[in-house]
Amino acid sequence: GQQVMQIPQYQHVQEGEDFTTYCNSSTTLSNIQWYKQRPGGHPVFLIQLVKSGEVKKQKRLTFQFGEAKKNSSLHITATQTTDVGTYFCAGPSYNFNKFYFGSGTKLNVKP
Amino acid sequence: GAVVSQHPSRVICKSGTSVKIECRSLDFQATTMFWYRQFPKQSLMLMATSNEGSKATYEQGVEKDKFLINHASLTLSTLTVTSAHPEDSSFYICSAGAASSYNEQFFGPGTRLTVL
Repeated sequence: GQQVMQIPQYQHVQEGEDFTTYCNSSTTLSNIQWYKQRPGGHPVFLIQLVKSGEVKKQKRLTFQFGEAKKNSSLHITATQTTDVGTYFCAGPSYNFNKFYFGSGTKLNVKP
Repeated sequence: GAVVSQHPSRVICKSGTSVKIECRSLDFQATTMFWYRQFPKQSLMLMATSNEGSKATYEQGVEKDKFLINHASLTLSTLTVTSAHPEDSSFYICSAGAASSYNEQFFGPGTRLTVL
């Protein structure tokens, strides 16, 4: 079945350092979405990538969709304590009517 | 963005009882809602897809007779955990959006279920 994997599982950084999480799918994806879940909270939509090789930026966050549309990455420049949380990628099912979430990367930022 | 509410936010019950969780889309109509379960420090596991006016579609390994889903209107889906046991203790989250995966999902705040 379809699998969406993320690495690393955990990342501890000093405030100001950069952070990257990687998402890999066993199958080609039509699109990929990224969500952030703060501790004790619920996932919040960040962005969606659709095109092969697409790159989108949101302030200090840069999202990439691989050329083969099987992987994606989220890069945060100069992390801040407000970036703390778990970042999930989510890919659609083969029939496009539901999502499967990646395993998530938990980011901890030390002030 | 759109707002999705869940009720209750927390529930503690005795083993063997049933618990109903409501998921409401407050400012939009959702023909499809999704129910997830999240164990501590783990990802969201899709349990079922709730379709308005028709039967829910369950993921492999999820017992439909134990997790009853009713999507009676375009703004309300309910999940009932029947005869709950301690292993059912978890964080249950619903999401709503268009049926197509080309649309973002709006998540409810979640329900923390503890079965004693």
